[in-house]
Amino acid sequence: DAGITQSPRHKVTETGTPVTLRCHQTENHRYMYWYRQDPGHGLRLIHYSYGVKDTDKGEVSDGYSVSRSKTEDFLLTLESATSSQTSVYFCAISEFSAGYTFGSGTRLTVV
Amino acid sequence: DQQVKQNSPSLSVQEGRISILNCDYTNSMFDYFLWYKKYPAEGPTFLISISSIKDKNEDGRFTVFLNKSAKHLSLHIVPSQPGDSAVYFCAATTGSSNTGKLIFGQGTTLQVKP
Repeated sequence: DAGITQSPRHKVTETGTPVTLRCHQTENHRYMYWYRQDPGHGLRLIHYSYGVKDTDKGEVSDGYSVSRSKTEDFLLTLESATSSQTSVYFCAISEFSAGYTFGSGTRLTVV
Repeated sequence: DQQVKQNSPSLSVQEGRISILNCDYTNSMFDYFLWYKKYPAEGPTFLISISSIKDKNEDGRFTVFLNKSAKHLSLHIVPSQPGDSAVYFCAATTGSSNTGKLIFGQGTTLQVKP
């Protein structure tokens, strides 16, 4: 669906480098979320946003920061990538409390 | 502390039979539950949900059952089809929360054999 796109789809980066993942929506939804998916852990919430410049931490926020300067864009930054941050990252949007639409994911490998 | 648990990492069933996926939760404040389905290289997609005021919700071949006293829900797929092979995530939230955060389980990989 074109309503939510993530970029890049794949990225390989070196330990210690900064990395920014982008989530872009065309639905004008208020809420945006970043999750990571890891085997045995399912989907875990990293950070979320409930409006422009309004963000909060999720359950696994250490090592990550986010920014939302426009309704349509939610950026996830790894300030200094570590191998433990190798994962698949999903962005999601919602307007109501239980109507999530997920992006197709970004596969990040930190070597 | 895992608030939503799916204790079976995988399940294999024969085509045409029933698939039952289970989910347990610990937070009594959860009042809305959802199931998501995920194919490889794609994002999860919404499958079915249930509010805590109900104990059953049905949508075609998919039925979700909620047992609040046991803090347990299950997803039944009847009949199972090979195209149902995917990872299924259980999720929960508090409807009164204005942040809309969903807490997910670990996922169960369902394989439906032809």
